Parts: sequence; C-alpha cells; structure tokens
Amino acid sequence: QVQMVQSGAEVKKPGASVKVSCEASGYTFTSYEINWVRQATGQGLEWMGWMNPDSGNTGSAQKFQGRVTMTWDTSINTAYMELSSLRSEDTAVYYCVRQGQWLGNYWYFDLWGRGTLVTVSS
Amino acid sequence: DIQMTQSPSSLSASVGDRVTITCRASQSIFNYLNWYQQQPGKAPNLLIYAASNLQTGVPSRFSGSASETDFTLTISSLRPEDFATYYCQQSYSIPYTFGQGTKLEIK
Repeated sequence: QVQMVQSGAEVKKPGASVKVSCEASGYTFTSYEINWVRQATGQGLEWMGWMNPDSGNTGSAQKFQGRVTMTWDTSINTAYMELSSLRSEDTAVYYCVRQGQWLGNYWYFDLWGRGTLVTVSS
Repeated sequence: DIQMTQSPSSLSASVGDRVTITCRASQSIFNYLNWYQQQPGKAPNLLIYAASNLQTGVPSRFSGSASETDFTLTISSLRPEDFATYYCQQSYSIPYTFGQGTKLEIK
C-alpha cells in the first residue's frame, strides 16, 4: 500500500525543537522528492520546504530558513523535519507530502501523510 | 513570491449545482497550477494537476481550465461528498504557494 505514515502528536514549550518523522511505503523512496506543508487550525496551507533523497538537496521557504532541518534515512525509507526555536505561532498540523511529476517538470503533491499536530505552549 | 488569490472565499450551493472556483496568480505560471480538496480533519487530496489534468481516481465531474493567469476549478454537478475546502497551488517556482482556500458549503 502506497502511503506515508507520520509520527504522533507533540507538545512542546516555546524555544524547544520538534522532530517529525514520515515513513514512506509502497514506492521507491529515492524516486520522489518529499515536501513539508503545515496548516494552523482553521487556516490555509503553508509550504515549508522540500528534500530530494536521491540527490541530497534540500530547500526551504525563506520564512523557515535557519529554523528548519530536513533529513532522511534511506535504509528505513523515513524522512524527518525538525523545527527549532518554536513559538506559539508554530502550533499547526505538519504534513509530509510526496511530490509527483508529469512530463518531467509539472510538479504536484500526490500523496499526503495524515499529519502531525504540534502544539507549542508554555 | 507568487501570490495566489482564490475567489470566492466561501460558497453555498446545493446538490446537483454547477460551481466554479477561481484562482488568480500574481504573475504568469504557465499552467503550473494544481487543485486540492480537503475534507474536515483530513489531509488534502490532489484533484487536478497542470491546470487541467484529472488525477487518477478523481471523478470526471471535476475539471480545470486556464486563461493567462486565471485558473478555474469546475464541479459540474455537486454531490454531497464534494462539500469541502478547495485550494489552488502554484508549482512554477519555489516557494510553492497556495491560495487561501474556498469553503464549499451546503445551501
């Protein structure tokens, strides 16, 4: 079954870090880029960054640069997103998303994890 | 960053209605436009990619079109399971920005 299984909900204090995991199954892990998208309660979708498990490249939105780290372990088909210096505004559901492609350069998000709720509260 | 503006923000309609949601890009994105549906408490689901291509398994009542920087998602005849929030997304350049969403509600 093609799916992305994320780690469970987290509660963190302001200033702490959180690391969310995302285990991919049912497809070749290194054949697809993985993106991270978050959604605050009742709000829209916000793209955070991407990682390519094959090339080793990563990139993130300017808003998160310096605070987000994306890593992976190809031996267990798992991606990780760590966000540091947490503040209350980081409270959100964090999704890992597989990036599909059409004709080599049209990209889209075709497989989503169920999301991980991260709550930042003192 | 490319700004994506959806309209309307919310929409009330009845089962069987034809509805259209619009998304405007702040610059040309050459059909690098995707549409997603999100049910409450669930992850988004890809409906349309590259402006007009139906994702596998998505019902044919969904369609997408493009004209310059304006994109539309049309649902030809609403079914009860279509009442959800819809997002457009540009994949032309990083950061991949989303529209603010359109909530489709039952009238």
